[in-house]
Formats: sequence, structure tokens, C-alpha cells
Amino acid sequence: AQSVTQLGSHVSVSEGALVLLRCNYSSSVPPYLFWYVQYPNQGLQLLLKYTSAATLVKGINGFEAEFKKSETSFHLTKPSAHMSDAAEYFCAVSDQSGGFKTIFGAGTRLFVKA
Amino acid sequence: DTAVSQTPKYLVTQMGNDKSIKCEQNLGHDTMYWYKQDSKKFLKIMFSYNNKELIINETVPNRFSPKSPDKAHLNLHINSLELGDSAVYFCASSHSENIQYFGAGTRLSVL
Repeated sequence: AQSVTQLGSHVSVSEGALVLLRCNYSSSVPPYLFWYVQYPNQGLQLLLKYTSAATLVKGINGFEAEFKKSETSFHLTKPSAHMSDAAEYFCAVSDQSGGFKTIFGAGTRLFVKA
Repeated sequence: DTAVSQTPKYLVTQMGNDKSIKCEQNLGHDTMYWYKQDSKKFLKIMFSYNNKELIINETVPNRFSPKSPDKAHLNLHINSLELGDSAVYFCASSHSENIQYFGAGTRLSVL
């Protein structure tokens, strides 16, 4: 069985500050890991994905995440927050063995203060 | 060109009514999904079809019935709507590596 835990339902940063959104996963098989972003009244969009290539993954809008197997973590970071980054962020896991199910975390709402 | 489109965007209806939501994708993907997002933003998978075959059927009341007439379409019919069905319903499609492409959502309000 797979699961995802996002630490912190709300994160608030100042514009220009580091963004760190935490995600831990559980999977009995090699996982695919994803971060998605959801802006108000929109569907989710893929930010980045880990699919067993490089452990440091770069995504859109300056975000990146590092896969750490020993810590079962896949935290999302961005060096400098912009106001436009304010949104809901979801970490997700699925398995590489051909299963179709993707499990989403509960989401972290990112607030960016001017 | 919208990759995954769902209609309607908003649906307001009375308890007990029957309603349908339609979804179409033009990405050529083989797999399509329905998700339910509640008021706390929690996203839960309901159904998945692969090549028109039902492959995921989570614990969902049987008032919800998906139908996939072809690989590009996945519709959701809901009978006897209840207050607790109020949520945002998302259609999605995927190809390799399970990357999900989401529609804009249908906001269902049951009064």
C-alpha cells in the first residue's frame, strides 16, 4: 500500500524567502513521485516528477524537489518565493510496476506575504 | 485547445435529482479518472478506466456510475443526489509514468 503525508496544511513565507513544502511517502514498491499545484478554481497541474532517474528533479516556475530514499521524503523547494506562487500544493505517489492508482497528499496551502 | 475538458463547470441541483458530468480528452491517453475534491481540498480517486475497461472502482456509493463510450470520453452519472455529494469533481487522464492531466473541475452544489 502507498501513502503520502504532507507536513503542514498551511505554510506562510515572505516574498523573496525560501519555500519549503514537506512530503513523506510510504511505498512497498519503487515509487513515482509528483508535485502538483492547484490555483483557485482550477484543476491540478504537474510541477515536477521523480521517475527513478536523477534524484534532484527540477520543475516549472523555479521549483525543485529531491528524492531521498533513506528518509522516504520528496520535499519541494524554491529559493525565492513570488506572490504568484500562492496556491495549494499536492504531493502524490504511484508505483512503477504498472499500477494506475495515484495517491495524493492532503495538500499544503502556500501563502506569500508582500 | 483544452486537453481535458469537462462540462458543466458548475452544477446546482436539488436533493434527489439525477445529474451527469461529461469529460473528454484530446491527448490520446488510454487511461481516464474521476476524482472527488471535498471542501478541505482532499482529493480522492473514485474510478479509473483504461481502454474503456473499468480498472479502479473505489468505495463509492453505487449511485455513482461511470461510463466510457470510447478512450477519449469518461462520463459520470449520479443518481438520487445527496447533500454530501457537494464537492468539486475532477476528470483526469494519464499515459506513461501515471502523470495526471486534470480538467478544470465541475463544482457540484446539492441544495
